Amino acid sequence: NAGVTQTPKFRILKIGQSMTLQCAQDMNHNYMYWYRQDPGMGLKLIYYSVGAGITDKGEVPNGYNVSRSTTEDFPLRLELAAPSQTSVYFCASTASGAQGTEAFFGQGTRLTVV
Amino acid sequence: DAKTTQPPSMDCAEGRAANLPCNHSTISGNEYVYWYRQIHSQGPQYIIHGLKNNETNEMASLIITEDRKSSTLILPHATLRDTAVYYCIVRASGAGSYQLTFGKGTKLSVIP
Repeated sequence: NAGVTQTPKFRILKIGQSMTLQCAQDMNHNYMYWYRQDPGMGLKLIYYSVGAGITDKGEVPNGYNVSRSTTEDFPLRLELAAPSQTSVYFCASTASGAQGTEAFFGQGTRLTVV
Repeated sequence: DAKTTQPPSMDCAEGRAANLPCNHSTISGNEYVYWYRQIHSQGPQYIIHGLKNNETNEMASLIITEDRKSSTLILPHATLRDTAVYYCIVRASGAGSYQLTFGKGTKLSVIP
């Protein structure tokens, strides 16, 4: 199994541009998450989804949008990119929200906004 | 979720046991302790979790004190590949609480 796949791996954006970070999982997991990680810091939750058609904000949602039209895919949209959005973005999935459920992470997308 | 406190860095000799401490003095009764690690900016990897009993799996052991205010992750025979940032996370139960809150973790360096 591929697990959680993120594309692209690297991207440079100019201020004001937009882009979509792709995330796909092949484990039939209902729950999916987007985190960002700034240098030397832990991960912060941006958005999450508990199933197709259901999304909710995490700790740092401003400047981002998400959608969940299928179980497999959970894209993250950046509108009007700003230097503060320079970060590494990780997508994750879990089978459920129950305790003991292991979270599987993708390998990350390194985004630089200049 | 309860706050956790970990030392910023630790060294361990290769082949020796690595004992990583975590303080979670404000933990409540329905909160579980999780450990994840992140190797060289890759995506975090699940290691182990527990509520009150000690736990062991093929990767590590988790020792939780009786009052549950602290825990220790033990890597029994550290290798160079165990060099990583280790995150201790406390997670509540119930609806809306399945997010993981990551702190800065402990950077473990395994020394040859």
